[in-house]
Amino acid sequence: DAGITQSPRYKITETGRQVTLMCHQTWSHSYMFWYRQDLGHGLRLIYYSAAADITDKGEVPDGYVVSRSKTENFPLTLESATRSQTSVYFCASSEGLLLLQYFGPGTRLTVT
Amino acid sequence: ILNVEQSPQSLHVQEGDSTNFTCSFPSSNFYALHWYRWETAKSPEALFVMTLNGDEKKKGRISATLNTKEGYSYLYIKGSQPEDSATYLCAFLNYGQNFVFGPGTRLSVLP
Repeated sequence: DAGITQSPRYKITETGRQVTLMCHQTWSHSYMFWYRQDLGHGLRLIYYSAAADITDKGEVPDGYVVSRSKTENFPLTLESATRSQTSVYFCASSEGLLLLQYFGPGTRLTVT
Repeated sequence: ILNVEQSPQSLHVQEGDSTNFTCSFPSSNFYALHWYRWETAKSPEALFVMTLNGDEKKKGRISATLNTKEGYSYLYIKGSQPEDSATYLCAFLNYGQNFVFGPGTRLSVLP
C-alpha cells in the first residue's frame, strides 16, 4: 500500500525552466492539494482539486499550473521557475474537504 | 487574507509535564478546523478534524477542544514524552473553501 507518493524527491533547476512535480495516491481520494513550505509562513495552499478535471486556486497560485486528468494523479507545473519558488512542496489527499489530509513525503526544489 | 495564528511559537517542557497551545482563527463562516503533527524531516500527520462548537477530540494523550464562537482551539498533551517533540499545526477552513494553515507551535520535550 504505497499511499501517497511524490517525485522527484529533490530537484535543482535553473531560473526560467519549466518543472513538473508529480503526486500520485492509491486511495482514490477525491481531494488532492499542493502546498509549499516557507519559513515564517508554514504551509501555504497553492492549488487543490475536488475531483478529476476540477481544480481551484489556493492562497498562492501565481506561477503554478495544475491538472487532474486522473483521480490518482495531481501534477504541479512551474511554467517558468523563479528563485522565489525555491521551497519544499507537499502534496496531500483526502476523501473530503472536511476530512483530514494525508501528506506525501515532499519534494525539495531549488531554483538557481 | 485569512489570519490563523498559533501560540506560543515554540515551547520546551520536561518529560512528564502536561502542556497546551492555542490556535486562533476567524470566527465567521467557520466550516472546520484540522490539527496536524509534523516531525522534523517527515510529513505532516493528521490528528483531528473538528467541526462543531464545543467539539472535543482525543487520541491517546493528545486532546483538542473547539470554540467556534470566539475563534479558538486548544491542543492538550498530557504527560509529554520526548516522542511528542514536533511542530503542531492547525488549519482553518471556511465556507468560501479557503484552507489556511497556522504557522505552527514547535514543541520540544526534554528527557
